[in-house]
Amino acid sequence: EAGVAQSPRYKIIEKRQSVAFWCNPISGHATLYWYQQILGQGPKLLIQFQNNGVVDDSQLPKDRFSAERLKGVDSTLKIQPAKLEDSAVYLCASSPDWGQGEAGNTIYFGEGSWLTVV
Amino acid sequence: DQQVKQNSPSLSVQEGRISILNCDYTNSMFDYFLWYKKYPAEGPTFLISISSIKDKNEDGRFTVFLNKSAKHLSLHIVPSQPGDSAVYFCAASVSWGAQKLVFGQGTRLTINP
Repeated sequence: EAGVAQSPRYKIIEKRQSVAFWCNPISGHATLYWYQQILGQGPKLLIQFQNNGVVDDSQLPKDRFSAERLKGVDSTLKIQPAKLEDSAVYLCASSPDWGQGEAGNTIYFGEGSWLTVV
Repeated sequence: DQQVKQNSPSLSVQEGRISILNCDYTNSMFDYFLWYKKYPAEGPTFLISISSIKDKNEDGRFTVFLNKSAKHLSLHIVPSQPGDSAVYFCAASVSWGAQKLVFGQGTRLTINP
């Protein structure tokens, strides 16, 4: 079974520039997440989709971050304009529908997209 | 507010011995807990989980213990192997909700030969 795919793996941009990250979740997984992990900290949820609807985006800095999940499969996360403090790993993850018992609660992560803002 | 805390940023253990990683949480609504393992330049990988209806779950060398009254869980690895060297994240969620996982800060485990 293919895992969560993300691209690009690494990106270096100057502050005030824009960047976009792409994610393809595990086939059949209805729920997709974007997490931000700053060095030395645990992953922090930015946005959660159930199919193509937003379930939780309470911690997404909406003045500069946006995300979409068209057709309930792939997703993109965009940052515009980037700030120095956006330097982090952006992790995409997916899980089966909730309500399917314990298996539905396990989230599977991609390898992450590493962003450095200079 | 840090709802899930891992107070030890690092832990060093001799190969063959037991590794014990600890995690505390504050939200009494959490009823599902997971441990993830992360190698450098990779995403976190699921290791083991436990539901609040249990107090212990075992999978090979890995055992997770849950103490609901103390809002504390621990991961035991025995015997520890060099390949276990990684960062371990504790995470918690409310299972009947939208599966939002809240992570701790992580503990870097180093297994010394």
